[in-house]
Amino acid sequence: AQKVTQAQTEISVVEKEDVTLDCVYETRDTTYYLFWYKQPPSGELVFLIRRNSFDEQNEISGRYSWNFQKSTSSFNFTITASQVVDSAVYFCALLSGANSKLTFGKGITLSVRP
Amino acid sequence: DGGITQSPKYLFRKEGQNVTLSCEQNLNHDAMYWYRQDPGQGLRLIYYSQIVNDFQKGDIAEGYSVSREKKESFPLTVTSAQKNPTAFYLCASTPGLAGGPRETQYFGPGTRLLVL
Repeated sequence: AQKVTQAQTEISVVEKEDVTLDCVYETRDTTYYLFWYKQPPSGELVFLIRRNSFDEQNEISGRYSWNFQKSTSSFNFTITASQVVDSAVYFCALLSGANSKLTFGKGITLSVRP
Repeated sequence: DGGITQSPKYLFRKEGQNVTLSCEQNLNHDAMYWYRQDPGQGLRLIYYSQIVNDFQKGDIAEGYSVSREKKESFPLTVTSAQKNPTAFYLCASTPGLAGGPRETQYFGPGTRLLVL
């Protein structure tokens, strides 16, 4: 069975601080995909990144970076120099198996204070 | 512009009433999905459809029904059998099932359903 654990439920930081959002996953499949989505107060889920299980390269996109480590089954997300606009709920998700069903974590509410 | 639209943004349901939530996409995606989100919870899959005229139950299908008569449309009906329908409902689509970028699900803006 697939499972995604986001142990942090709420994080509050002051603007310009760096913040890391943790994600731990479980799957028995060797081929799988990991995702991060952002849900701002408007409610729509915004796709941020997709990673497949064969690509462990870390990725950086502007202030965002992702650290994928298969050895610890983790796919952590770091925001550098956080901004108020980063305030949102962030979901980590896992897609594995032939039925392409996404399994979501419970989300982390990030509040960035000015 | 290509994307996924959901309507209405807010929907009110009376006891014993069936209501239908609309989801339309013009991305030419094959697969479409319905999720339910409760406060402080992740998304849970209600139904999904990989091709027209075919759909599968997700993890919490009881009290819901769907149809997929057209590729671009996947309406969700919340029936009176769903005893706790108050939630945020999100529709998503993805190009297909095989490898590559086609696994990424793109979401609509959501419909918030409230019971009167």
